Amino acid sequence: GQQLNQSPQSMFIQEGEDVSMNCTSSSIFNTWLWYKQDPGEGPVLLIALYKAGELTSNGRLTAQFGITRKDSFLNISASIPSDVGIYFCAGQAGGTSYGKLTFGQGTILTVHP
Amino acid sequence: NAGVTQTPKFQVLKTGQSMTLQCAQDMNHEYMSWYRQDPGMGLRLIHYSVGAGITDQGEVPNGYNVSRSTTEDFPLRLLSAAPSQTSVYFCASSSPGGPDTGELFFGEGSRLTVL
Repeated sequence: GQQLNQSPQSMFIQEGEDVSMNCTSSSIFNTWLWYKQDPGEGPVLLIALYKAGELTSNGRLTAQFGITRKDSFLNISASIPSDVGIYFCAGQAGGTSYGKLTFGQGTILTVHP
Repeated sequence: NAGVTQTPKFQVLKTGQSMTLQCAQDMNHEYMSWYRQDPGMGLRLIHYSVGAGITDQGEVPNGYNVSRSTTEDFPLRLLSAAPSQTSVYFCASSSPGGPDTGELFFGEGSRLTVL
């Protein structure tokens, strides 16, 4: 099946620092999404990207859909303690992949006050 | 705002036992799905449904059955539990934008341990 490689696997940063994480795929996706999971909760959608080259912001979060459609990155600026959690990228191939997401392995983010 | 509700939140089974994980959503979403989450592997799709009476297999369907008799409910059945099914299970449904957008709403998860 399709594979998504997400990096880094974990990050330990100081409050106020910027964070960057990315995902790469061996195949093309029509949609890229970024989810955040808090401890004991289900993932929550942060940003959705639908066009190659698209750059989208949501507050302190910025994400881009790579031109090749095989990669995406997420940046978090000026991190705060509540940014702690697991961040997942996800891709949807479209067509017969209606509603089926392929997830990356996740990036565990720890923010030290 | 109930959203997607999963029960139970925690369950311990012995190998060979059967059980059903319940999932209900109150948002009138047509699309529902089940994922399992394992350390270092992200979430993997088990089964999904695009509407009442319609189900299909995802990436890791073996050992699991599903049915969709109503729009609201999408139970996941383990007929004979195995230790490899120890995992956290998430039910999800699509947003008003539709499943083509990938904008899924997830439940809080059900943590299953098989001894």
